Amino acid sequence: EVQLVESGGGVVRPGGSLRLSCAASGFTFDDYGMSWVRQAPGKGLEWVSGINWNGGSTGYADSVKGRFTISRDNAKNSLYLQMNSLRAEDTALYHCARVTTAMVTGGVDYWGQGTLVTVSS
Amino acid sequence: QLVLTQSPSASASLGASVKLTCTLSSGHSSYAIAWHQQQPEKGPRYLMKLNSDGSHSKGDGIPDRFSGSSSGAERYLTISSLQSEDEADYYCQTWGTGIAVFGGGTKLTVL
Repeated sequence: EVQLVESGGGVVRPGGSLRLSCAASGFTFDDYGMSWVRQAPGKGLEWVSGINWNGGSTGYADSVKGRFTISRDNAKNSLYLQMNSLRAEDTALYHCARVTTAMVTGGVDYWGQGTLVTVSS
Repeated sequence: QLVLTQSPSASASLGASVKLTCTLSSGHSSYAIAWHQQQPEKGPRYLMKLNSDGSHSKGDGIPDRFSGSSSGAERYLTISSLQSEDEADYYCQTWGTGIAVFGGGTKLTVL
């Protein structure tokens, strides 16, 4: 059974940093690209970032480019999102997601339950 | 620019069928999409990948009541024999080189 379990969320002040983690199991992790998708309270889904199977290629939404960094450790079956210079508008539930290809982007076929990030002074 | 457009809301009666629409932006009519369901207070759930020719592959355990079809830049999700648990938000998603986008979502009410 595919499982994606996020951690690392919390409350942080504007301008602060946070590192999210996602532990993957139930599939061969390095066969797939991975993404982070967020959902602000009461809003829709927003793609944040994606990474290919070996971490050699990445992509970012314009809203986070230059502030967030996605990475992965295939030996640990883990995905990460380093978030710097956080803003109030980054407040959201952040989901880890598997994509159907080994590329940076693709259709999401499995979702984690999410970890909540709140940016507030 | 890669954009997906969805109607904000839809409604249909219990036991009836409903067809939700997702429209790809100009120049992107050949793109595949994915449909996702989000029931109230739950995380998203993958329903299916839908290609431009209407072929689709569903996620694990998705009932036969859910089907997809395509016409030009339009991608459709049809739910037949509506049940109360189908009341949810439905999102379409597509992707290009180094980018992915979601539609704004359609809130489906089962009457």
